[in-house]
Amino acid sequence: GAGVSQSPSNKVTEKGKDVELRCDPISGHTALYWYRQSLGQGLEFLIYFQGNSAPDKSGLPSDRFSAERTGGSVSTLTIQRTQQEDSAVYLCASSPQNTDTQYFGPGTRLTVL
Amino acid sequence: KQEVTQIPAALSVPEGENLVLNCSFTDSAIYNLQWFRQDPGKGLTSLLLIQSSQREQTSGRLNASLDKSSGRSTLYIAASQPGDSATYLCALDQAGTALIFGKGTTLSVSS
Repeated sequence: GAGVSQSPSNKVTEKGKDVELRCDPISGHTALYWYRQSLGQGLEFLIYFQGNSAPDKSGLPSDRFSAERTGGSVSTLTIQRTQQEDSAVYLCASSPQNTDTQYFGPGTRLTVL
Repeated sequence: KQEVTQIPAALSVPEGENLVLNCSFTDSAIYNLQWFRQDPGKGLTSLLLIQSSQREQTSGRLNASLDKSSGRSTLYIAASQPGDSATYLCALDQAGTALIFGKGTTLSVSS
């Protein structure tokens, strides 16, 4: 079946612009996660959605970052007023339940010039 | 605060060798531990998931063990092949929410 998909695959933007990254999870998965992978930094958690519960936003690095999940399916990660340090690969994952295997999308590579 | 360490950071072996990748963690209160594979420019592929109550999991040439008391997990790869070349990541689920990742071991298998 279809896996987790993300769009765009690559995004180049200028410092100060806003960007939106999209994640389509596997159908029926109730849990959705966003992570960021920076060069030399490893993977870090950003935000987690579980069903209709309030999201866990504890990993968001600043108030310029926000995310929403509409209808319990598609999620959008928004970065406002992008900075060069926001350059990274943004990975989305979903799982059937929150303690199950997480299935990752291919990521969006964001470059802020 | 949970810390996950993977040693070595990089490993090069000739084809056919058996090898062990190591993962250590500081807090044994975990739900599960997962091993992932990441190919250059790609997302992560889940290899094995070990629940907190389990000691090991096997899939094909891969075997992962978990020793919570010592805060260690190993990923054993038997009869390595060039196609096994990738970065291997260890990740812990501590609260049924986000995974905490190590920085990975980059494996290169030469033919």
